[in-house]
Amino acid sequence: QSALTQPASVSGSPGQSITISCTGTSSDVGGYNYVSWYQQHPGKAPKLMIYDVSHRPSGISNRFSGSKSGNTASLTISGLQAEDEADYYCSSYTSSSTRVFGGGTKLTVL
Amino acid sequence: EVQLVQSGAEVKKPGESLKISCKGSGYSFTTNWIGWVRQMPGKGLEWVGIIFPSDSDIRYSPSIQGQLTISADKSISTAYLQWSSLKASDTAMYYCGRVGYSGYEFDNWGQGTLVTVSS
Repeated sequence: QSALTQPASVSGSPGQSITISCTGTSSDVGGYNYVSWYQQHPGKAPKLMIYDVSHRPSGISNRFSGSKSGNTASLTISGLQAEDEADYYCSSYTSSSTRVFGGGTKLTVL
Repeated sequence: EVQLVQSGAEVKKPGESLKISCKGSGYSFTTNWIGWVRQMPGKGLEWVGIIFPSDSDIRYSPSIQGQLTISADKSISTAYLQWSSLKASDTAMYYCGRVGYSGYEFDNWGQGTLVTVSS
């Protein structure tokens, strides 16, 4: 299985909104509503931000939202804050009953 | 509070064996899948595999299967990742994660175990 495709980097100014895309196939992203998103700060463990395409775990700000259309899922962060600067990874369930991650996107808050 | 505590950093030589651990607490260890994620230096996350501690059902990434082994001892709420013969390319940070109740995401993570393989 190939890694899901994410842009290498995105950037935005404080207060703005950004969207990170995650493209897969009908065997993963497009076939199931089981896409999750993780935030990882340098030197830290990943942190779950979104699961099942659009659900936020308890304690995650509503500035983070997820969606999906066809084979592409998206993470939107509104009202960008300096603390949002991190790497973001998507992940999807696959038809092989495994999971696959995206290559990761580095978010820079200008 | 759910906690996953991993064993400490390891430095090994090529060809040596290794077993790292991840101890869960704060929840019923047998009711959630638990798994491993690899992160090579400067690279992204890579899904390794998961195990259901109750019956040791295991799913491996097709690209990694055969290179390592996942196991669990439910009596001590601990999952393991082991290698029989390490290679330099196994050098990475390894994270364990608990699969959440929806069944598809890692909702809690360990702190990571750095494995360095060098002659």
